[in-house]
Amino acid sequence: DSGVTQTPKHLITATGQRVTLRCSPRSGDLSVYWYQQSLDQGLQFLIQYYNGEERAKGNILERFSAQQFPDLHSELNLSSLELGDSALYFCASSSKVGTGGIGYGYTFGSGTRLTVV
Amino acid sequence: AQTVTQSQPEMSVQEAETVTLSCTYDTSENNYYLFWYKQPPSRQMILVIRQEAYKQQNATENRFSVNFQKAAKSFSLKISDSQLGDTAMYFCAFMKQKGSQGNLIFGKGTKLSVKP
Repeated sequence: DSGVTQTPKHLITATGQRVTLRCSPRSGDLSVYWYQQSLDQGLQFLIQYYNGEERAKGNILERFSAQQFPDLHSELNLSSLELGDSALYFCASSSKVGTGGIGYGYTFGSGTRLTVV
Repeated sequence: AQTVTQSQPEMSVQEAETVTLSCTYDTSENNYYLFWYKQPPSRQMILVIRQEAYKQQNATENRFSVNFQKAAKSFSLKISDSQLGDTAMYFCAFMKQKGSQGNLIFGKGTKLSVKP
């Protein structure tokens, strides 16, 4: 167990629907990162939150949004789903940015497998 | 923008043998971190080894070691005494040091199969 908890593990939904993926970071970690892993695109960075604030955006579609709550858990919302959104979505967390903690890499959750049919 | 390239989509090695996975990267930064992550069939992303760019000494973790060539922007992973449990996708990743963002940039991965 990495300490990063993602739910649900699997999700099957229809095109046009909206889903919410949840992530609880490792205890003490303030940063949360979302990544999308698809067969053809590899691991793509979506968005980062630090202590409730958005810190960086990657290749995140406008149909996707995220937030980090006061208890530091994060949710990734995916709407108007398309077949191409089918992928493995990872959440990762790291120690406080700026203290050198990020130099030790990220701790990943086990991912949410999203299948859009 | 930083990029990470893994030129070997797939590799195989016999159990107990040694294998080297290649990784090159492109950056204008001087200080940064490099990582190798392992993703077994369970899908979990597991940190294997890390290297700080300002350290000349190559990192080693048990059977895993790296060959870090900063000038050549090369960061290869050597796995000694390969075990069946080493079968996995291996991802090379880059993170710049400065700034408030710690964004890991991944290569596309190398699928390693360890054969008995």
